[in-house]
Amino acid sequence: ETGVTQSPTHLIKTRGQQVTLRCSSQSGHNTVSWYQQALGQGPQFIFQYYREEENGRGNFPPRFSGLQFPNYSSELNVNALELDDSALYLCASSLGQGGQETQYFGPGTRLLVL
Amino acid sequence: LAKTTQPISMDSYEGQEVNITCSHNNIATNDYITWYQQFPSQGPRFIIQGYKTKVTNEVASLFIPADRKSSTLSLPRVSLSDTAVYYCLEARGSTLGRLYFGRGTQLTVWP
Repeated sequence: ETGVTQSPTHLIKTRGQQVTLRCSSQSGHNTVSWYQQALGQGPQFIFQYYREEENGRGNFPPRFSGLQFPNYSSELNVNALELDDSALYLCASSLGQGGQETQYFGPGTRLLVL
Repeated sequence: LAKTTQPISMDSYEGQEVNITCSHNNIATNDYITWYQQFPSQGPRFIIQGYKTKVTNEVASLFIPADRKSSTLSLPRVSLSDTAVYYCLEARGSTLGRLYFGRGTQLTVWP
């Protein structure tokens, strides 16, 4: 157990809807990163939040957005859902924003878009 | 984009030592080499990280040659529960912590 929790565990939405996924980071960690993992692929970096500010973004459109709260928990919001958004969404917390910091992943939220 | 190359799959038997080698042909001076393990329907889990030579922890050993163009993850005496996908990554210490995952190596351990 990493101490990182995510909710919900599973979610079914239809195309065009909006979804919010939540992540509670490990105690003491001020950095949260979000990843999307399609079936059979490795996780792909969406963005990172450090002390409530977005600190870098991968190759994802603006309809993927996020927030980090003062307690360092985080949300991922996806608007105008598309079928290709079906994936496992992972959040990872770390002590800092540096590349060498160990990232502790949660169990993920599996999203199915119909 | 993933910057490493590793075998798509490997098979082993319980009790054997498993070595998974990864190529890091374009590794930068300030990159660390990091390995993660992932079980089905779970998030990746950090295994080990090193910069050069050899690193050992309670789970695995990591061998990195002097030129750092490759790395080898060594799992001693594997068990059925070591069946998982193993990812090698290059983590740049001076930049923000985005991790570039490839497709990883599916290790299957047989009884």
